[in-house]
Parts: sequence; structure tokens; C-alpha cells
Amino acid sequence: GAGVSQTPSNKVTEKGKYVELRCDPISGHTALYWYRQSLGQGPEFLIYFQGTGAADDSGLPNDRFFAVRPEGSVSTLKIQRTERGDSAVYLCASSLGLASGELFFGEGSRLTVL
Amino acid sequence: RKEVEQDPGPFNVPEGATVAFNCTYSNSASQSFFWYRQDCRKEPKLLMSVYSSGNEDGRFTAQLNRASQYISLLIRDSKLSDSATYLCVVTPRGGSQGNLIFGKGTKLSVKP
Repeated sequence: GAGVSQTPSNKVTEKGKYVELRCDPISGHTALYWYRQSLGQGPEFLIYFQGTGAADDSGLPNDRFFAVRPEGSVSTLKIQRTERGDSAVYLCASSLGLASGELFFGEGSRLTVL
Repeated sequence: RKEVEQDPGPFNVPEGATVAFNCTYSNSASQSFFWYRQDCRKEPKLLMSVYSSGNEDGRFTAQLNRASQYISLLIRDSKLSDSATYLCVVTPRGGSQGNLIFGKGTKLSVKP
């Protein structure tokens, strides 16, 4: 079956622009996570959803970042007024539940803000 | 102090060598522990969970020492295909179960 799918795989934008990154999780996975990873660093938690609701958004760095999962499947991470420091690989993951610790990651969306 | 700390390496070892990675975590109430593997420019994948009693999966052995807040990964008989970055991951007790905390990773390069 299909794994976690993320689009776009690469996005180059200019400072100040708005960006949307999409994640399509593995079918049947109720939990969905967003992480971001900068060069030489481990993935950094942003937000996770259990179903449609954001169960923990404590990792979102500021109010320019927002994520939705309106039907409990596909999720969109939205970044307003992008800054150069937002450049990173944005990783989406899904899992059957929260307890197992096994997250299935997508290949990521590489965002470059010029 | 960072929540999860790892020696970044790189560890350069010959094929067949035994190599050990260490990881320390700061939150004594941490609940669950894992090792993930990440190949260059690829996504992380679960390698193995880490249990208090220690656990083994083929050439890989993971150990947890809760008193010292220390996790280890031992790889025996290294293969070229083991070359990757190994990420130590912790889930804090009391925090949300979805907030997995990743270390920076330890890079392993296995040479012929």
C-alpha cells in the first residue's frame, strides 16, 4: 500500500510569501504529525492530530504557522509571511495510534525561503 | 541542557566492526524510548524500540538505564548498508504521547 505522501517535494519561495504544504497519511492511520528538520539537526516536533483535532500544537514556533486536518485524513501546514529561518525539510508522519512510537514518515517537503 | 543528547560523530568504522552509540535524556519521567535510522536525504524510519530489560534484533542490541537516563545502541558485524544517521527518540511521561523528542543523531559510516 501507499506510504505517507507529501507535496510539494520542493518549494522555493520569497520572503514574505504564503506557503501550503500537504500531507496524505497512510489510510486508516488516525494520528498525524508534523515535524521540521534543519541540516544537521534531528526532527523538531511542530504539531500532531488525533482525528480532526490538534491534540498538541505546542511545537508551532509562532502564529505564522497553522495546520488543519478537516476530515481526519489529509493535513495542510500553512506558513504565512515566510522568513528565511523557515527554510527546512517539513516532515509529515502518521501512525495507527499514539502508543506504539512507530511513526511512518513521508519523504518531506523541502522549503527554501529566499 | 538539551532534552536528548547524542554524540554527532561521525563514526567511521570498517566492515565487520562493532560500534556503540550512546544517548542521554534530561527528563527522568520519560516514558518510551526508540532508535530511528535516517539515510542521507531520506525520511527517518523506526529501527527498534528500547525496553528496560534490553532487547536485541539480529545484529542490533538496545539498552536502557533509567537510573543514569542513558540509552545505547550496539551494532555488531557492521555492514556497508548500516551507514546512516541513528536518531535517539524519547517520549516524555505526562507530555503528549505524540510529541516524540528526537536527538540530533549520530552519523555512522561503514567503510569496506
